[in-house]
Amino acid sequence: GENVGLHLPTLSVQEGDNSIINCAYSNSASDYFIWYKQESGKGPQFIIDIRSNMDKRQGQRVTVLLNKTVKHLSLQIAATQPGDSAVYFCAETFGGYQKVTFGTGTKLQVIP
Amino acid sequence: DGGITQSPKYLFRKEGQNVTLSCEQNLNHDAMYWYRQDPGQGLRLIYYSQIVNDFQKGDIAEGYSVSREKKESFPLTVTSAQKNPTAFYLCASSSLFPGNTEAFFGQGTRLTVV
Repeated sequence: GENVGLHLPTLSVQEGDNSIINCAYSNSASDYFIWYKQESGKGPQFIIDIRSNMDKRQGQRVTVLLNKTVKHLSLQIAATQPGDSAVYFCAETFGGYQKVTFGTGTKLQVIP
Repeated sequence: DGGITQSPKYLFRKEGQNVTLSCEQNLNHDAMYWYRQDPGQGLRLIYYSQIVNDFQKGDIAEGYSVSREKKESFPLTVTSAQKNPTAFYLCASSSLFPGNTEAFFGQGTRLTVV
């Protein structure tokens, strides 16, 4: 079936550097792509989403890029901070939120 | 404070027992969801509900049951028919406003079968 996956299970980044977390998706019919952050022992928190008719969206210190040609999604975090250490999930949705498919997650470790 | 609350945070169950996980939200959201999270895996949808007294099976509904008697509440029962219930369970809620993709998650309940 359709699924969302990640290239790197663990990413270590020096504090202050930029982080890039990647995600591959397979369902070309998805209409939204979403990034969530999950800290240890907590529930996921919404970070940012992007609609399928866009290729870039910026938030506070975060940018999501969507490349539909190669079915690739990325999350860029500027000036990574220790508080950014968490597992990041990409997700895709079509036909309503109940059809959200989550990836397996990438763990971001920020080195002080 | 507006939010979504799950209880208990940790739950231990003996084999053969049913247990119920609580989920309450005061965000006035129409939709509520239950997910299961296993180590190294993404979230998998168990059940969801878009309106009171109605709910739909997700991808892994076998061995689980839910009810939606009130808008604010969506309890999940893990029955003895669930063969591998040890996992982290997450409840979420969202608005059904068109184009909304943001769901709010609870802090989770970690269920362990002993």
